[in-house]
Amino acid sequence: SQQGEEDPQALSIQEGENATMNCSYKTSINNLQWYRQNSGRGLVHLILIRSNEREKHSGRLRVTLDTSKKSSSLLITASRAADTASYFCATDLGGTYKYIFGTGTRLKVLA
Amino acid sequence: EAGVTQFPSHSVIEKGQTVTLRCDPISGHDNLYWYRRVMGKEIKFLLHFVKESKQDESGMPNNRFLAERTGGTYSTLKVQPAELEDSGVYFCASSPFFSGELFFGEGSRLTVL
Repeated sequence: SQQGEEDPQALSIQEGENATMNCSYKTSINNLQWYRQNSGRGLVHLILIRSNEREKHSGRLRVTLDTSKKSSSLLITASRAADTASYFCATDLGGTYKYIFGTGTRLKVLA
Repeated sequence: EAGVTQFPSHSVIEKGQTVTLRCDPISGHDNLYWYRRVMGKEIKFLLHFVKESKQDESGMPNNRFLAERTGGTYSTLKVQPAELEDSGVYFCASSPFFSGELFFGEGSRLTVL
């Protein structure tokens, strides 16, 4: 069974709007990461949030983590067409370096 | 600094044949991971090396898959004999020992006919 599951599976928005994706996981973690994958390319690391952090920002990205609910959200503000990609969360199984990914959210930003 | 490189980028083989995928991690990265994504599904963990040792190979589907990492540098993933369900994109990632960030290669797309 999957450790991380992203929601929604697909999201289509207009350029300039905000995009929010959610990730739920099942076991305790040390940290949670978000990655982006452009079509046909490798995954690119976006941001890492540790289990003792609740919120983190990086440019137009904002990540929150709620360990009591075992969930995280990724907010992309003022989206651009170039943000069109699949987004994945990855969680470690607490105390290990084994990172488990979900099925991803496919984001389409319309110009 | 060179990133993670994978070869080949695309391989088309017939069922029953053998394929070997290669990954060159970023120099100095002790951790090396193999993942696989079958179309539309999750990115599934296959195994994790720390230097030349297999730290966790719980995701390897069966004994048709063999991964090696000679000398703690590059890694190979051999599928022998290949089956139709082995088709997918195989990703390699590396990371420094004490960092959580994974650096991914572009992937090797395997198509088994």
